[in-house]
Amino acid sequence: EAGVVQSPRYKIIEKKQPVAFWCNPISGHNTLYWYRQNLGQGPELLIRYENEEAVDDSQLPKDRFSAERLKGVDSTLKIQPAELGDSAVYLCASSLVGQGVSEAFFGQGTRLTVV
Amino acid sequence: AQTVTQSQPEMSVQEAETVTLSCTYDTSESDYYLFWYKQPPSRQMILVIRQEAYKQQNATENRFSVNFQKAAKSFSLKISDSQLGDAAMYFCAYSPGGAGNMLTFGGGTRLMVKP
Repeated sequence: EAGVVQSPRYKIIEKKQPVAFWCNPISGHNTLYWYRQNLGQGPELLIRYENEEAVDDSQLPKDRFSAERLKGVDSTLKIQPAELGDSAVYLCASSLVGQGVSEAFFGQGTRLTVV
Repeated sequence: AQTVTQSQPEMSVQEAETVTLSCTYDTSESDYYLFWYKQPPSRQMILVIRQEAYKQQNATENRFSVNFQKAAKSFSLKISDSQLGDAAMYFCAYSPGGAGNMLTFGGGTRLMVKP
């Protein structure tokens, strides 16, 4: 079974430029998450999707960040314009949420460097 | 808001020895789940072990076990017979019940294994 796939693995951009990250979750998983992990810290949730609906985006900086999950499968996270402080690893995860708790599976992340 | 604290930025253990990583959390919820994730240099978060708060019995997974002290809000990870492949960042994480597996992570502990 294929895991969570993210691309690109690395991205270097100049500040004020736009950037987009792509995530393909595990087939059949209804819930998708985007986390941001700053250097030397634990990941922090940016947004959670249940199918196509964004059900928790309180930590997403909406002035410059946007996300979508078309058809409840793949998702993209966009930053426009990027700032130096956006340099971080962006992790995507997915899980099948129903009764009780299930495991969240993570992708390998995209390391963004803004110069 | 829930918080997760890992007070040990780095830990070191001799190969084949035992090491314990500490984690404390703060919550007013009665239904929640606790996790330990491993993050190797590849950046992919891998679930090591999980504990349901309603279960009194401590979870175990092969060489990994936890000491869950609910009243003290403490959740430590014990790694027995440490192996070189155990070297990684370890993150403690909390998820409230019914919250779609949203995770709040601690700041992480870097584990080094000496041959």
